[in-house]
Amino acid sequence: DAGVTQSPTHLIKTRGQQVTLRCSPKSGHDTVSWYQQALGQGPQFIFQYYEEEERQRGNFPDRFSGHQFPNYSSELNVNALLLGDSALYLCASSLVVTGGHEQYFGPGTRLTVT
Amino acid sequence: GDSVTQMEGPVTLSEEAFLTINCTYTATGYPSLFWYVQYPGEGLQLLLKATKADDKGSNKGFEATYRKETTSFHLEKGSVQVSDSAVYFCAPGRGNTPLVFGKGTRLSVIA
Repeated sequence: DAGVTQSPTHLIKTRGQQVTLRCSPKSGHDTVSWYQQALGQGPQFIFQYYEEEERQRGNFPDRFSGHQFPNYSSELNVNALLLGDSALYLCASSLVVTGGHEQYFGPGTRLTVT
Repeated sequence: GDSVTQMEGPVTLSEEAFLTINCTYTATGYPSLFWYVQYPGEGLQLLLKATKADDKGSNKGFEATYRKETTSFHLEKGSVQVSDSAVYFCAPGRGNTPLVFGKGTRLSVIA
């Protein structure tokens, strides 16, 4: 049973650049949520995608955008990178019919902005 | 919205010691409650859950009981191992709303 996978594992970008992170959900899951985890902090919710639409959004600026594909995989895009965007980005998947709250996380993508 | 308060870490224990990590939550209604664990350099893993009051979640020797009266979901383990060293997160969750995490509690177990 394939779990949640994310790519790349690590990424180094320069301020002002743009980045795309990718996530494949656990087999059978249809909902993808993205979280940002700064060093020493708990994960903070960015947004959630279901049926290829953004369903919920946390307190993040419009520089953060996403997409979900028909196969339920998802991308997170961040434009005009800031130093403060350096963090571990976690993708979590769930199944809406079960209530969705039992989320399974991927290993994360560590983004460093210099 | 929902929120959670965990005991401040780090918690340092000797191997085979008893572990308690306190977690209290604030929520309207009765959310499900989760404990996640994050090992160094990894993502979060679901450790255990409870979906209603008085439920006890358990996994890998860890236990937590959903206490509605005290709005708590404390994590316990009778005998910790070095391999339990990680950061532990308590989180309420309901329906398809996002999980709300605190800062987590770092546990270090020394041999």
